[in-house]
Amino acid sequence: EPEVTQTPSHQVTQMGQEVILRCVPISNHLYFYWYRQILGQKVEFLVSFYNNEISEKSEIFDDQFSVERPDGSNFTLKIRSTKLEDSAMYFCASSGQGLDQPQHFGDGTRLSIL
Amino acid sequence: SQQGEEDPQALSIQEGENATMNCSYKTSINNLQWYRQNSGRGLVHLILIRSNEREKHSGRLRVTLDTSKKSSSLLITASRAADTASYFCATDAWDTGRRALTFGSGTRLQVQP
Repeated sequence: EPEVTQTPSHQVTQMGQEVILRCVPISNHLYFYWYRQILGQKVEFLVSFYNNEISEKSEIFDDQFSVERPDGSNFTLKIRSTKLEDSAMYFCASSGQGLDQPQHFGDGTRLSIL
Repeated sequence: SQQGEEDPQALSIQEGENATMNCSYKTSINNLQWYRQNSGRGLVHLILIRSNEREKHSGRLRVTLDTSKKSSSLLITASRAADTASYFCATDAWDTGRRALTFGSGTRLQVQP
């Protein structure tokens, strides 16, 4: 069964550095998402992406964050000037066209900011 | 309670028993989805129920939806030790057509062998 893949599985970065989290969504999906889960807290929506542009974003997704689909298969989340509170699991998801299509999630990238 | 809140927060049962988890939400929805998360792992999609559906089955899973009460339940029958995980409901938002999912805090299910 097709799946969403994320790399790396764990990223350790010094505070203030930039990180890029990578995702390969399911190949025939059109909508792509990033969520995060701070340890012990709820999964929170960050941003969705459709037709090469951001379709929705949350209050969390400020100028520190950006997303890109650099080619036909990858979807990336860039976090600039990382802060300690950016430490979390970051999940990529993708879904098909219809409103009743489920979102399928990757296994996540654990980001640790030191 | 906030959008997509589950109860109980934790549930411990014996293998073979049924497990029931509940979810409440506040806004109108298109769909409600249930996910499972094993410790430190990603979210596995279990089942999606549309707002015009009242019940849906998938294997040992049964989901109900009551839009008048803004609530849903997930029943796992004949539980197994491998069902041990956290279970989350997630809702979209009907009025804005938003696809962003709002997750609850989850129910931690422990199935004792």
